[in-house]
Amino acid sequence: EAQVTQNPRYLITVTGKKLTVTCSQNMNHEYMSWYRQDPGLGLRQIYYSMNVEATDKGDVPEGYKVSRKEKRNFPLILESPSPNQTSLYFCASSLARARSSTDTQYFGPGTRLTVL
Amino acid sequence: AQSVTQLGSHVSVSEGALVLLRCNYSSSVPPYLFWYVQYPNQGLQLLLKYTSAATLVKGINGFEAEFKKSETSFHLTKPSAHMSDAAEYFCAVSNTGKLIFGQGTTLQVKP
Repeated sequence: EAQVTQNPRYLITVTGKKLTVTCSQNMNHEYMSWYRQDPGLGLRQIYYSMNVEATDKGDVPEGYKVSRKEKRNFPLILESPSPNQTSLYFCASSLARARSSTDTQYFGPGTRLTVL
Repeated sequence: AQSVTQLGSHVSVSEGALVLLRCNYSSSVPPYLFWYVQYPNQGLQLLLKYTSAATLVKGINGFEAEFKKSETSFHLTKPSAHMSDAAEYFCAVSNTGKLIFGQGTTLQVKP
């Protein structure tokens, strides 16, 4: 089954404790992205990757890191989480072979992160 | 810069009534527009997308949307609401692969 998977689905942590949220897709997609969803703000892009070893900042990158060593994986790293990073996080992927604006993005099930 | 505004954070309809969720966009180039649906505790699922082929776009689950350039709108409609349509709906515009989302509209369907 074609899908985007994220782990963990739920995470409660404390300020300053490094964490990683994994994202994996099995559709051979080149484009991958991380969004955070906050009430009243919709989804905002954190980072994206056009291909392996090619990552770039989205609209709200502060406090986050990503890496793209393999095509299928795009982990989100919070080196020193803070309470304002409490949010619902979504990973997404699409074909986007030529920076296409029309490709459908496929979303993972989400990771709900709480930072105390 | 591109942006999307969804009018109404909550919409409530009765089962069987018309569903109308409003979306207006701002774009300096021809936009590509999307509607996504998020059911409780799930990720986002594509309902439909406008890619300039036809102004009236039909999607899944009986939804459709009409692109109106003169009104810079892309409203989502469904003739008859079902209880299963209760969800959060997001309008988005695409910019070289990046999706810019509206704030979302929660649809409540009353029996």
